[in-house]
Amino acid sequence: AQSVTQLDSHVSVSEGTPVLLRCNYSSSYSPSLFWYVQHPNKGLQLLLKYTSAATLVKGINGFEAEFKKSETSFHLTKPSAHMSDAAEYFCVVRPYGQNFVFGPGTRLSVLP
Amino acid sequence: EAGVTQFPSHSVIEKGQTVTLRCDPISGHDNLYWYRRVMGKEIKFLLHFVKESKQDESGMPNNRFLAERTGGTYSTLKVQPAELEDSGVYFCASSQPGTSGTNTQYFGPGTRLTVL
Repeated sequence: AQSVTQLDSHVSVSEGTPVLLRCNYSSSYSPSLFWYVQHPNKGLQLLLKYTSAATLVKGINGFEAEFKKSETSFHLTKPSAHMSDAAEYFCVVRPYGQNFVFGPGTRLSVLP
Repeated sequence: EAGVTQFPSHSVIEKGQTVTLRCDPISGHDNLYWYRRVMGKEIKFLLHFVKESKQDESGMPNNRFLAERTGGTYSTLKVQPAELEDSGVYFCASSQPGTSGTNTQYFGPGTRLTVL
């Protein structure tokens, strides 16, 4: 069975400092990988996706993620956090021919 | 371009009652998905429509849940009768025609269902 682990349920950073949200997955085949963000009372918004092209994927709002097959990881990073980044972030795996499998989510708090 | 919309945004019902959730996908999106997040758990896949046909309903929890997509446009998800464990947030998503695993799914804001 496919699974997604987000190692931190809550991450707190100061504004202007780097963000690292960790994601590990298990999948039998090369999957597509996604990061979504959900701000309060809003729908899930796609940040970025990996689809077997470049392993370093750049997304919206300055976020990027690196696919590391040997580590089965797809960690999300941003060099400098902004107050508006406070939200819940979901790592999602889509094994080939199958449906989305969501991680449990990481809530990011940004302190002034 | 309008996004995925869901109605209602919140619903509070008593155990044993019926509730119908509605999802309007992005125009032209053949694929429509339903997901659910119960309190403290992961978002879980419920089912997938391609146009008006159910492509995969393996995530539907039991026969109290009925999803329809007449005409291949909007979809409804009916829960009858509702139980306490059905409480959670129900998300709808849509994506463009085709079944590529790389198709981006666009999500609605969700319907928060509370069963008392």
